[in-house]
Amino acid sequence: AQSVTQPDIHITVSEGASLELRCNYSYGATPYLFWYVQSPGQGLQLLLKYFSGDTLVQGIKGFEAEFKRSQSSFNLRKPSVHWSDAAEYFCAVDPSNTGNQFYFGTGTSLTVIP
Amino acid sequence: DTGVSQNPRHKITKRGQNVTFRCDPISEHNRLYWYRQTLGQGPEFLTYFQNEAQLEKSRLLSDRFSAERPKGSFSTLEIQRTEQGDSAMYLCASSQNPGNTIYFGEGSWLTVV
Repeated sequence: AQSVTQPDIHITVSEGASLELRCNYSYGATPYLFWYVQSPGQGLQLLLKYFSGDTLVQGIKGFEAEFKRSQSSFNLRKPSVHWSDAAEYFCAVDPSNTGNQFYFGTGTSLTVIP
Repeated sequence: DTGVSQNPRHKITKRGQNVTFRCDPISEHNRLYWYRQTLGQGPEFLTYFQNEAQLEKSRLLSDRFSAERPKGSFSTLEIQRTEQGDSAMYLCASSQNPGNTIYFGEGSWLTVV
């Protein structure tokens, strides 16, 4: 079945440590790929997106993500986490590259400890 | 650019009542989407509009749900005869062109008691 998988439900990191959040998708062609962040009780904010071209994309707040076609992955990274990064992170795909529908993973909750 | 605006932000209603949510998209965005999100889950697609035309509806959108975008600007999502299972956050998003990035509002929380 077609899906977006975020295998880590919850991750805890120390402030200043590096972070990697995993995302895998199972769609035939290369979809448009996105990462969103959601603070409690709030809507979703776009961190970054990949449509084509350079497979390493830079986003806001110091985040980056790398698209790996061979692994059907689009992992989110940050070299040094700040306490304000604690939130829920969602990977999303647009399989048809048309903007008709976006499919989201179940999210990864990030806790940052001082 | 004031972002996607949703209201009310919170609504508590008794089972069986009707509720309506409003979404004002980013100015000049011709696509508008409704999603539903329950606790611990990612957003699930409900429907989207291209201007005033509703082009796609999810199977999640039962007959009790109706969405409109009469003038191609703001949209309303109405839920009739609410059930406890309707309790969720209803998210609206918009985009400028097909295939572009969608931008979300802050959501409308619905609690059915």
